[in-house]
Amino acid sequence: KAGVTQTPRYLIKTRGQQVTLSCSPISGHRSVSWYQQTPGQGLQFLFEYFSETQRNKGNFPGRFSGRQFSNSRSEMNVSTLELGDSALYLCASSPPDTEGPNEKLFFGSGTQLSVL
Amino acid sequence: AQSVTQLGSHVSVSEGALVLLRCNYSSSVPPYLFWYVQYPNQGLQLLLKYTTGATLVKGINGFEAEFKKSETSFHLTKPSAHMSDAAEYFCAVSPLGASGSRLTFGEGTQLTVNP
Repeated sequence: KAGVTQTPRYLIKTRGQQVTLSCSPISGHRSVSWYQQTPGQGLQFLFEYFSETQRNKGNFPGRFSGRQFSNSRSEMNVSTLELGDSALYLCASSPPDTEGPNEKLFFGSGTQLSVL
Repeated sequence: AQSVTQLGSHVSVSEGALVLLRCNYSSSVPPYLFWYVQYPNQGLQLLLKYTTGATLVKGINGFEAEFKKSETSFHLTKPSAHMSDAAEYFCAVSPLGASGSRLTFGEGTQLTVNP
């Protein structure tokens, strides 16, 4: 079974540009969440999508947005890039809901974004 | 808001020695607790989780963690370190009764294993 696939693996952008990152979840998983990882702030939750609807949202500015398609693939977009957006962006998928939280997140290897 | 604190951003042990990585959570109600491991240039992998029931949780690769409500702790241990255990370890929390995949992570502990 293929794991969570994130593309591209590396990305270099300049300030002011926008970027779109892609995530393909494990087959059968309907929940996709996104995290930002930086040396200074650690891992921070961005948002989660389930059945094409945003279910949870972290404390990030509106420049960060996402969506999920009917096949559960997800994209996140960052507009007007800032230097501080340089980070590893991790996507995780989860099996269908059970009682309580989605206990088991399967993470992709991430997209390393560098903003110059 | 719930949070977790990992004591020690770097821990170094000798191969074969005990591994102890510390995690404390702040919550009036015991949350769900997790330990994840991240190897270089990879995503995170779940080691173990505590939701309800037995307070001693066994995970993969010989790791285990004990939930102690009185100490608000969920420390990760392994009796004998192996070189392949060198990685970064993250403790995470999810509120009790929550749905979805929103986790709050600690700052991480980098484990070095010396030969």
